[in-house]
Amino acid sequence: SQKIEQNSEALNIQEGKTATLTCNYTNYSPAYLQWYRQDPGRGPVFLLLIRENEKEKRKERLKVTFDTTLKQSLFHITASQPADSATYLCALDGDSSNTGKLIFGQGTTLQVKP
Amino acid sequence: KAGVTQTPRYLIKTRGQQVTLSCSPISGHRSVSWYQQTPGQGLQFLFEYFSETQRNKGNFPGRFSGRQFSNSRSEMNVSTLELGDSALYLCASSPGLLNSPLHFGNGTRLTVT
Repeated sequence: SQKIEQNSEALNIQEGKTATLTCNYTNYSPAYLQWYRQDPGRGPVFLLLIRENEKEKRKERLKVTFDTTLKQSLFHITASQPADSATYLCALDGDSSNTGKLIFGQGTTLQVKP
Repeated sequence: KAGVTQTPRYLIKTRGQQVTLSCSPISGHRSVSWYQQTPGQGLQFLFEYFSETQRNKGNFPGRFSGRQFSNSRSEMNVSTLELGDSALYLCASSPGLLNSPLHFGNGTRLTVT
């Protein structure tokens, strides 16, 4: 079955630095991969989607890469701020025939220190 | 545009009881998905409804069921509650098109004692 792995340990970085989060997957060839942000006590919030035929996607300070050979996605936050502190989840499509089923990783908690 | 609304926000039930959770999707969204989130298992897909029909189902026992109404609002029901059902239950809506991102509510925190 599909499996997604994200850095299980929290990532602590200094304000202004670039945060890089990793998402690896096995036993699947997803049509797309999504990244979400989740704050404590809240539902996940969609950030970016990248398709299998796209190498890179950007949105403001966020950048996502997708390497289907390595079966890996990298999520970068440049010029990080304390407000970026949250848990970041990657998710791949669980069934290419519909949109509602996503397979989520366990998430990586990012802590940005001022 | 109002976001996804889930009620109630918190719920405490006893083993053996049943519970019904409610979800109002974003206006115009026809797809509603339900997820269970626990510290050990993370986010796990329960089921998805699209235009009142269950379109996909995760690997959960039959005690977990749901439905969707003609106005796209959805409910999920858990019968014969077990301690292990304690979790954050999240509802997400989308237009139902391929590659559409999910819009999540803030969940219902269910505690089973």
